[in-house]
Amino acid sequence: EAQVTQNPRYLITVTGKKLTVTCSQNMNHEYMSWYRQDPGLGLRQIYYSMNVEVTDKGDVPEGYKVSRKEKRNFPLILESPSPNQTSLYFCASSEKGLGTYEQYFGPGTRLTVT
Amino acid sequence: AQSVTQLGSHVSVSEGALVLLRCNYSSSVPPYLFWYVQYPNQGLQLLLKYTSAATLVKGINGFEAEFKKSETSFHLTKPSAHMSDAAEYFCAVSPPGYSTLTFGKGTMLLVSP
Repeated sequence: EAQVTQNPRYLITVTGKKLTVTCSQNMNHEYMSWYRQDPGLGLRQIYYSMNVEVTDKGDVPEGYKVSRKEKRNFPLILESPSPNQTSLYFCASSEKGLGTYEQYFGPGTRLTVT
Repeated sequence: AQSVTQLGSHVSVSEGALVLLRCNYSSSVPPYLFWYVQYPNQGLQLLLKYTSAATLVKGINGFEAEFKKSETSFHLTKPSAHMSDAAEYFCAVSPPGYSTLTFGKGTMLLVSP
C-alpha cells in the first residue's frame, strides 16, 4: 500500500531533551516536507526537500533540523525542544517538487513538550 | 508572497443542504490552488486542485470548486451535505513551478441531521 508513515504517533517529552520524528514513504517520491498544525493557524511548512541531499527552510524552521540521506526517509530533529513546539506534525511527499503534483500526508505525530 | 484567507472558522449546515466554503487568495501570479480535507485524527487528503486548466474543478465525494481570477477566489461547494462530510477543510496555494504550499487556517464543517 502506498503510504507515508510517521513514528511515533504520540510523544510527550521534557524541555531540552533531543528527539527525532521519523518519516518514510514507499512511493519513490522526490519531494518531502514537514508541517506543523496549530489550532487557528492551519498548517505551516517547517522544512522541505526537493530530493536527496537537498533541503530548504519553510516558513517556520527555527528550532528544527532535517536531513535527507535516503530518498524514502526525511526525519525531523528537535535538538532542544521547548513548550512552544508542542504541536501536531505532518510529513508529506509528492512525486516531484512542483505545485501540480499532489502531496500525500502521513497520519501525524502529536508532540507535547513540558 | 502568496496567502490564503478562509472565511469562517466554522460552518454549520443541515444534512441535504448546500455546502459553501469560502477561500480567497493573494498572489502576484495566478497560482495553483488546492482543497484538502482532514477527518478527525487523520492526515490531510486532497479533494481537488486547480492547475490552470478548466476553471471549474470537480473533486472527490461530490465536491467542486470554481477558480475566479477577477475575484481571486476558489470557493468549495457541494450541492447536498452528508453527515460523513463533517471534517476540517483547508484551502492551499502554490505558485506555479514551486512546491511550497501555503495553507489557510481551515474551516470546520459541521453537519446536523
